[in-house]
Amino acid sequence: GQQVMQIPQYQHVQEGEDFTTYCNSSTTLSNIQWYKQRPGGHPVFLIQLVKSGEVKKQKRLTFQFGEAKKNSSLHITATQTTDVGTYFCAGQNTGFQKLVFGTGTRLLVSP
Amino acid sequence: ETGVTQSPTHLIKTRGQQVTLRCSSQSGHNTVSWYQQALGQGPQFIFQYYREEENGRGNFPPRFSGLQFPNYSSELNVNALELDDSALYLCATSMYYTDTQYFGPGTRLTVL
Repeated sequence: GQQVMQIPQYQHVQEGEDFTTYCNSSTTLSNIQWYKQRPGGHPVFLIQLVKSGEVKKQKRLTFQFGEAKKNSSLHITATQTTDVGTYFCAGQNTGFQKLVFGTGTRLLVSP
Repeated sequence: ETGVTQSPTHLIKTRGQQVTLRCSSQSGHNTVSWYQQALGQGPQFIFQYYREEENGRGNFPPRFSGLQFPNYSSELNVNALELDDSALYLCATSMYYTDTQYFGPGTRLTVL
């Protein structure tokens, strides 16, 4: 079945450093979504990317969707302690309803 | 925060028992998806309901079943609970089955 992998599994940074997580799907996706889950919380929708090569920015966060629509990345510039949490990508295939979540990247930011 | 609510917040059951979890949809959303999230893992798709009909199912056994009501709220039922069913159960609603899904706060189920 379809698999979505993320690297790294875990990253610990100092506040102000940049952070990037990478997401790779075993199949071509119709769209990819990114979620943030705080410890003890539930996934919170961040963004959806649909077009090949699409780049979207939200303040310090930059999201990219690969040309082949099989990979994606999330980059955070100048991390803050409020960025702590696990970041999941989730892919959707054309004609299928389910979101296939990646393995997640847990981010810890030290002040 | 989304308008998706789930009840109960926490639940403790013993092996072999049955459980019903509930989800109230955000206004205007006619699609509900259920996910199971084990500790340290990403959510796994259980099934989806669109306008009261099952609209897709993941790799979960038949003892996981669901319902969607005319007001688009939903239930997840799990029979013959096993220890491995201990997890956070999340529902997510959307305006259409291909649209962005908004998650509720989840129900933490512990099976002893």
